[in-house]
Amino acid sequence: EAGVTQFPSHSVIEKGQTVTLRCDPISGHDNLYWYRRVMGKEIKFLLHFVKESKQDESGMPNNRFLAERTGGTYSTLKVQPAELEDSGVYFCASSLRTGTGELFFGEGSRLTVL
Amino acid sequence: GQSLEQPSEVTAVEGAIVQINCTYQTSGFYGLSWYQQHDGGAPTFLSYNALDGLEETGRFSSFLSRSDSYGYLLLQELQMKDSASYFCAVRDKGNTPLVFGKGTRLSVIA
Repeated sequence: EAGVTQFPSHSVIEKGQTVTLRCDPISGHDNLYWYRRVMGKEIKFLLHFVKESKQDESGMPNNRFLAERTGGTYSTLKVQPAELEDSGVYFCASSLRTGTGELFFGEGSRLTVL
Repeated sequence: GQSLEQPSEVTAVEGAIVQINCTYQTSGFYGLSWYQQHDGGAPTFLSYNALDGLEETGRFSSFLSRSDSYGYLLLQELQMKDSASYFCAVRDKGNTPLVFGKGTRLSVIA
């Protein structure tokens, strides 16, 4: 069974540009989460999908971030326009059940904004 | 909201035992999880405690005391491959997000 896959693994863009990150969860996992880790800090929650619906987007920093999960399968996270403080590693995770303590993470997409 | 405290770094000798502590403050409590992350890799689930006591999985054990808002991860017979970052994470309700601490970087030395 394939795990959570994320693309790209690393992206370097200039301030003001747009980047779209993609996440493919484990097949059959209705719950999909986006997290972000900035250097040395906690893995911070961004948002949670249940199927194609946004269950909780309280962690999204501002309206430059847009997440979608069309059809309830893969998800995209778009940052537009990117700012320097958006640099970090963006993790996607999925789970079979809501409210579980066990999430399955991807290896992350490292975003560097210059 | 929730907050978690764990040491930023721990160093231990190969073959030894190390304990990584985690204290938390939450409005409710729905369980404490532990994750391991090697540099450049995915955070990987290690354990979950919803009730007080010790859970053992091979060389790793996790303990929870809900009355003290405290838990720890115990790693025995340390191996070099255990060098990684370890995160505790809590959820205060069933439908709220899993909140992570800042992580403890464990270095295992020969």
